[in-house]
Amino acid sequence: DAGVIQSPRHEVTEMGQEVTLRCKPISGHDYLFWYRQTMMRGLELLIYFNNNVPIDDSGMPEDRFSAKMPNASFSTLKIQPSEPRDSAVYFCASSSGSGLTDTQYFGPGTRLTVL
Amino acid sequence: GESVGLHLPTLSVQEGDNSIINCAYSNSASDYFIWYKQESGKGPQFIIDIRSNMDKRQGQRVTVLLNKTVKHLSLQIAATQPGDSAVYFCAERGRGSTLGRLYFGRGTQLTVWP
Repeated sequence: DAGVIQSPRHEVTEMGQEVTLRCKPISGHDYLFWYRQTMMRGLELLIYFNNNVPIDDSGMPEDRFSAKMPNASFSTLKIQPSEPRDSAVYFCASSSGSGLTDTQYFGPGTRLTVL
Repeated sequence: GESVGLHLPTLSVQEGDNSIINCAYSNSASDYFIWYKQESGKGPQFIIDIRSNMDKRQGQRVTVLLNKTVKHLSLQIAATQPGDSAVYFCAERGRGSTLGRLYFGRGTQLTVWP
């Protein structure tokens, strides 16, 4: 299994630009999670999907952030417009369920730098 | 919401020694905990988990201990190796409507010296 795939691995952009991060979950997994990791706030859950439907988006910082999952094998996290404080590592994770012991498998992350 | 914290942000050990990484949690109703390892430039990787009906669980060179009385969790790594150098996170599973969520601690940086 290829694991969770994220692209790009690194993204450098200027303030005000639109940024799109992509994720391909592990085949057969029906839960997909987007996290953000910073030194100040640690690892935070932004949003998660079940069967392509957003279940909990309470972690999405503001309206500049949006996430979609058009099908079971692809999700995007978009920031528009981007700001320097959005600089972080963004992780996508997937699991085969949200049951108590279902393990979340993380991708390698996208390191975003907003200048 | 849940709060998961760590006692020490960094830990340095010599190769071959045992490592103990600690974690405290605040929700006495929590019933599932996970330890993740994150190497530089990579995503967190599952190591071991434990349910609240257990006090101890062992894996390969790793042991997790759960003390529900003081709401404390620890990860023990036996015969620590250079490849164990990483940041270790404890995470707590949400309950009820937040069952799908994991709440992560801030992490402990483990450095293994040869």
